[in-house]
Amino acid sequence: DVKVTQSSRYLVKRTGEKVFLECVQDMDHENMFWYRQDPGLGLRLIYFSYDVKMKEKGDIPEGYSVSREKKERFSLILESASTNQTSMYLCASSLYGVSNEAFFGQGTRLTVV
Amino acid sequence: QQQVKQSPQSLIVQKGGISIINCAYENTAFDYFPWYQQFPGKGPALLIAIRPDVSEKKEGRFTISFNKSAKQFSLHIMDSQPGDSATYFCAASINNQGGKLIFGQGTELSVKP
Repeated sequence: DVKVTQSSRYLVKRTGEKVFLECVQDMDHENMFWYRQDPGLGLRLIYFSYDVKMKEKGDIPEGYSVSREKKERFSLILESASTNQTSMYLCASSLYGVSNEAFFGQGTRLTVV
Repeated sequence: QQQVKQSPQSLIVQKGGISIINCAYENTAFDYFPWYQQFPGKGPALLIAIRPDVSEKKEGRFTISFNKSAKQFSLHIMDSQPGDSATYFCAASINNQGGKLIFGQGTELSVKP
């Protein structure tokens, strides 16, 4: 069964902290994505990666960075957390060039106080 | 800019009724249009998808209608059931960009018994 696992369901962090959100997939997918979900705005793409050590900016990359050292793992980094980064973060993965279906993790609800 | 616009934001339907959610897109390069379903506490999951070479796709009670000239597509849920209560997202992507999806704002569907 396809599985995308995010390391935390809920996180509470303080303003200015460096925050790491981890995502692991067990499907040998090339593509991995980070989205944030906010009411009324849908899902917005933060960063994505088509290969190990490769990354590309999505629509809202400001304040975030990513790391992909291994194929199965894609990390989202908030360099200095701010209250406007309080949101639901969703990781997804997909095969490259075969199907566009994206498989999502269960999400991490991040609150920055 | 919002490349995919979805309406309505919320929808209440009686059991057995038809639920209709609409989306409009701007980029004519989009060539894959999926719908995702999200239950509370879960990540989105692919429900049904269509490519622009067909005008309709049906899977069970779920149908996508696609109007290429109007740049619009819609999801119809026939015989809506309380178990269909969820948030629905339309999305669009370009095939050679793998799973990089542009999402609509989401529709919260509630089916009343």
